[in-house]
Amino acid sequence: SQTIHQWPATLVQPVGSPLSLECTVEGTSNPNLYWYRQAAGRGLQLLFYSVGIGQISSEVPQNLSASRPQDRQFILSSKKLLLSDSGFYLCAWGAIYEQYFGPGTRLTVT
Amino acid sequence: AQSVTQPDIHITVSEGASLELRCNYSYGATPYLFWYVQSPGQGLQLLLKYFSGDTLVQGIKGFEAEFKRSQSSFNLRKPSVHWSDAAEYFCAVVPGEYNFNKFYFGSGTKLNVKP
Repeated sequence: SQTIHQWPATLVQPVGSPLSLECTVEGTSNPNLYWYRQAAGRGLQLLFYSVGIGQISSEVPQNLSASRPQDRQFILSSKKLLLSDSGFYLCAWGAIYEQYFGPGTRLTVT
Repeated sequence: AQSVTQPDIHITVSEGASLELRCNYSYGATPYLFWYVQSPGQGLQLLLKYFSGDTLVQGIKGFEAEFKRSQSSFNLRKPSVHWSDAAEYFCAVVPGEYNFNKFYFGSGTKLNVKP
């Protein structure tokens, strides 16, 4: 069966520091991969999705970037964090009309 | 504008009572519809999905949802709520066969269950 991992589970970073969140998927090949952000009291905002290695689509302009260096690895990055980057970050994998979520990373920018 | 609307931000029901969570969408003619549940600090778990066919779909944990095309709705129901159902529930839509990569989520409904 498929498993999706995210790390770290929680992270506290100062404003202006860099960020790297990692997501890996096991048990499937060539999945679609997604990064979402969930701000407090709000729904899920799709940040990036990828249909293959090196293929990244950005949904909203922001301070973040994503990369997919391997088939089952998806990385969310920032060069300089802003206070507004705080939130709960969810990685998901999917095929056509399917989407399954990882456990999430709680990011607090101080 | 295209949207997924969950009009109830918070709902409180007594344990054993019935539950209905509302979801309305304004996407294309043949959307694919989903309900997810999120426990605090956790990822999202798929409860059920509707692609076509019977408009009443059954999911896990005793949940069901009914697709009503005329009302652009996909409401989630459970006949008898358990304390463990307290969580946040998200409706999601994939607009159609040409946008299968992208899910659009509602803002969520937080369910509180009174003992």
